[in-house]
Amino acid sequence: KQEVTQIPAALSVPEGENLVLNCSFTDSAIYNLQWFRQDPGKGLTSLLLIQSSQREQTSGRLNASLDKSSGRSTLYIAASQPGDSATYLCAVNTSGSRLTFGEGTQLTVNP
Amino acid sequence: NAGVTQTPKFQVLKTGQSMTLQCAQDMNHNSMYWYRQDPGMGLRLIYYSASEGTTDKGEVPNGYNVSRLNKREFSLRLESAAPSQTSVYFCASSRRRSDTEAFFGQGTRLTVV
Repeated sequence: KQEVTQIPAALSVPEGENLVLNCSFTDSAIYNLQWFRQDPGKGLTSLLLIQSSQREQTSGRLNASLDKSSGRSTLYIAASQPGDSATYLCAVNTSGSRLTFGEGTQLTVNP
Repeated sequence: NAGVTQTPKFQVLKTGQSMTLQCAQDMNHNSMYWYRQDPGMGLRLIYYSASEGTTDKGEVPNGYNVSRLNKREFSLRLESAAPSQTSVYFCASSRRRSDTEAFFGQGTRLTVV
C-alpha cells in the first residue's frame, strides 16, 4: 500500500527566504506526482505535475523535483512571500485511479 | 472557466437523513473522483468514475453511493448519514486516469449531528 509522508508538518519563515518542502513515498512504481496548495477552508489548487519519466518541473518561483528510485520529491519555493502561506500537499498516482496524499506542510511566511 | 463546481458548500444533517452532493466539471474530462478530508487522515478516495458509465470503489466507500449522470456530472449520495461522515468532501476530475493533472472543487463541508 502506498504511503506518503511530508516533512515538516509545519514551517514558519521570514519573507524572502528560499525554502524546501519534502515528500517521500514508499512505492516507487508511480505514474506521476502532483503538488497542491490548499488555503484555509478552500479547495486544492494544482501547482505542479511531474510525470514518472521527468526529473523536475518549474512554474514561476516554484520548482519541484522527483527522484523516483529513492521515493522522494521536493518543492522549492524561491523568495517566499506572505501570500505563499498555505498548506502544501503532495500526492502520488500509483494505481492510475487514485491519488494518495500526504498530510501536508503548513507554511507561514512572516512579513 | 468554472472548472469543478460543487454544491452545496455547507450542509448540516441529522443522523439518519439522506442527501446528495453534486459535482460538475466543464473541462471535458473523462475521469471524476470523490474524496473526503479529515484531520490526521489526509484526503481519502471514496469512489471514482474512470469514464462515463463506469464507477468503482475507492478506499472508503462504505455508507456512500455514486452516480455518473453524464460526462460532466458525478454525484455522491449519503443514504443514512452518520456522525462519522462529518467531513469535507472534494470532487475532482482529470482528463484520464493515469497520467494527467487532477483538478479539485472548492469542497462541501458536511456536519452530521
